[in-house]
Amino acid sequence: SQKIEQNSEALNIQEGKTATLTCNYTNYSPAYLQWYRQDPGRGPVFLLLIRENEKEKRKERLKVTFDTTLKQSLFHITASQPADSATYLCALDTNTGGFKTIFGAGTRLFVKA
Amino acid sequence: ETGVTQSPTHLIKTRGQQVTLRCSSQSGHNTVSWYQQALGQGPQFIFQYYREEENGRGNFPPRFSGLQFPNYSSELNVNALELDDSALYLCASSLDSATNEKLFFGSGTQLSVL
Repeated sequence: SQKIEQNSEALNIQEGKTATLTCNYTNYSPAYLQWYRQDPGRGPVFLLLIRENEKEKRKERLKVTFDTTLKQSLFHITASQPADSATYLCALDTNTGGFKTIFGAGTRLFVKA
Repeated sequence: ETGVTQSPTHLIKTRGQQVTLRCSSQSGHNTVSWYQQALGQGPQFIFQYYREEENGRGNFPPRFSGLQFPNYSSELNVNALELDDSALYLCASSLDSATNEKLFFGSGTQLSVL
């Protein structure tokens, strides 16, 4: 069956360090993968999209990689700040049983000052 | 450009009742998806509507139903509420049903079933 797996344990890092979050998937062949940020009690907010023919995508302090052979995406936040503390979700589209976007469970990031 | 708005923000119902949640899509978006998010979990896909037709559904029973209107606003209806239906319900709109690149989410409706 299709699965999206993200680190279920929270990630605690010190301000200024690089946070790296992992998204692994099985039984998908996605054309692209998306990352979202979610703050408590709010809806997810789109951050980045990376396509299957792109190895890396950057936006300000954010960087995403996409390895379709390993079926893995890594999400990096460089020079992390306490304001980066949130839950980060990866998402894939599938056309099994109709078109839909499926989310992982998310990884909670805490950045300490 | 208006964002995605959902109403109500909070709702308390009792088991067995019925509930209707509402969503206004981002301006210009013709596709809407609904998600259920339990505490500590990722959003679980319920269904997607494109131009008033359901074009994708997740593993939810038929008592979860929806509508999309000509102005692309949407409703999620849940009948015979169960305690496990307590969750944050999220609506998301996108520009094109062929891909769901860049979903725009509302802030959700927090449903509590007692």
